Amino acid sequence: GAVVSQHPSRVICKSGTSVKIECRSLDFQATTMFWYRQFPKQSLMLMATSNEGSKATYEQGVEKDKFLINHASLTLSTLTVTSAHPEDSSFYICSARDLAGTDLYEQYFGPGTRLTVT
Amino acid sequence: AQKITQTQPGMFVQEKEAVTLDCTYDTSDPSYGLFWYKQPSSGEMIFLIYQGSYDQQNATEGRYSLNFQKARKSANLVISASQLGDSAMYFCAMRDDTGGFKTIFGAGTRLFVKA
Repeated sequence: GAVVSQHPSRVICKSGTSVKIECRSLDFQATTMFWYRQFPKQSLMLMATSNEGSKATYEQGVEKDKFLINHASLTLSTLTVTSAHPEDSSFYICSARDLAGTDLYEQYFGPGTRLTVT
Repeated sequence: AQKITQTQPGMFVQEKEAVTLDCTYDTSDPSYGLFWYKQPSSGEMIFLIYQGSYDQQNATEGRYSLNFQKARKSANLVISASQLGDSAMYFCAMRDDTGGFKTIFGAGTRLFVKA
């Protein structure tokens, strides 16, 4: 099956610094990637939709200047948390849609990145 | 606006018994997809089952079946012959098939399987 990877799997950063999270589709091309955020014991909240070669579409309430998303190729999207604060500590999960997929459930999830801001 | 509701924060089931996890949804779109995902403590999202809004028959995948009642806007997950490894968080999700194919998730149900 299709594989989506995320790097890093865990990251600890100091308050005020920026951190970049990569999401890669390893064996398929993804026109669209989605970024989710999950707080402990809570559901996944959609942050933004990332389309290759165009600007990301952010969900209401998500600061686009704080969460920079770049989808530069059909296999890579990055999420940069700028000027991170402890309240940004969360589990970030990406998912990708298969450009050529014929499966009805062609959205594949990465393993997630746990961000801790100290 | 689309909405997914899971009203069971936690459920207990005896090993080898069947369990139903509830999910209701709300959408004005005629075309949508309904999903169930399992999230163990590792955090990965594991796809379990899919039901399209136009599918006439309920979806089944091994021990998982989706009880799709379109008029009632419900998409309950039935797990038969529960196993200890089924203990996890379960999320119901809905995908918008008429716009950006965004998928939104319910609050989740934590399932505990007792030996």
